Amino acid sequence: QVQLQESGPGLVKPSQTLSLTCTVSGGSIFSGVYYWNWIRQPAGKGPEWIAHFYTSGSGRTDYNPSLKSRATISVDTSKNQFYLELNSVTAADTAMYYCSRNLHHWGQGILVTVSS
Amino acid sequence: EIVLTQSPGTLSLSPGERATLSCRASQSVGGNNIAWYQQKPGQAPRLLMYGPSNRATGIPDRFSGSGSGTDFTLTISRLEPEDFAVYYCQQYGGSPTTFGQGTKVEIK
Repeated sequence: QVQLQESGPGLVKPSQTLSLTCTVSGGSIFSGVYYWNWIRQPAGKGPEWIAHFYTSGSGRTDYNPSLKSRATISVDTSKNQFYLELNSVTAADTAMYYCSRNLHHWGQGILVTVSS
Repeated sequence: EIVLTQSPGTLSLSPGERATLSCRASQSVGGNNIAWYQQKPGQAPRLLMYGPSNRATGIPDRFSGSGSGTDFTLTISRLEPEDFAVYYCQQYGGSPTTFGQGTKVEIK
């Protein structure tokens, strides 16, 4: 059974870069054809998809246009981890951040607060 | 992007009652690719239904999904105490995938 675990700083200053890690256990990221996702959820609101990469063919990555190119998703196969960087953060980026495989399997989430 | 509107915002029901949750899309959802999630406080969303009438692994048959085009419904035939939670619909027929704002099912 695949398991995902988010990690990273819980507090980021405005205008800085938010960097998160998703560690995958119970299977290799590239062991099958999957979408590996980052999703966030502000308190009291619905989830918002941020980005994913696809472990098939060219390994395509896609991003939510609403983030206006501030997000970057990347992967380190040797560590079985994938990452999210979100630059130029503001208070509006304060949310619970989740990593997920195919939106079927989710990590427990990490709360990130943007504040000075 | 496709905007999903869920109704009602809150549903107050008693255990054993039937719950009907609605999800309306701003445009037709390709392939009727709608999913439903359940979320309890402090937990990640849990996939219930996809496609829109297929139950995810381990989901009891009191949960059912239906609909097509722009109108979709999640039905819980008889509410169990563990079903009181927030429910979200998601469309993955268009890019980007989007979620609704949620319906809270609370104990009356």
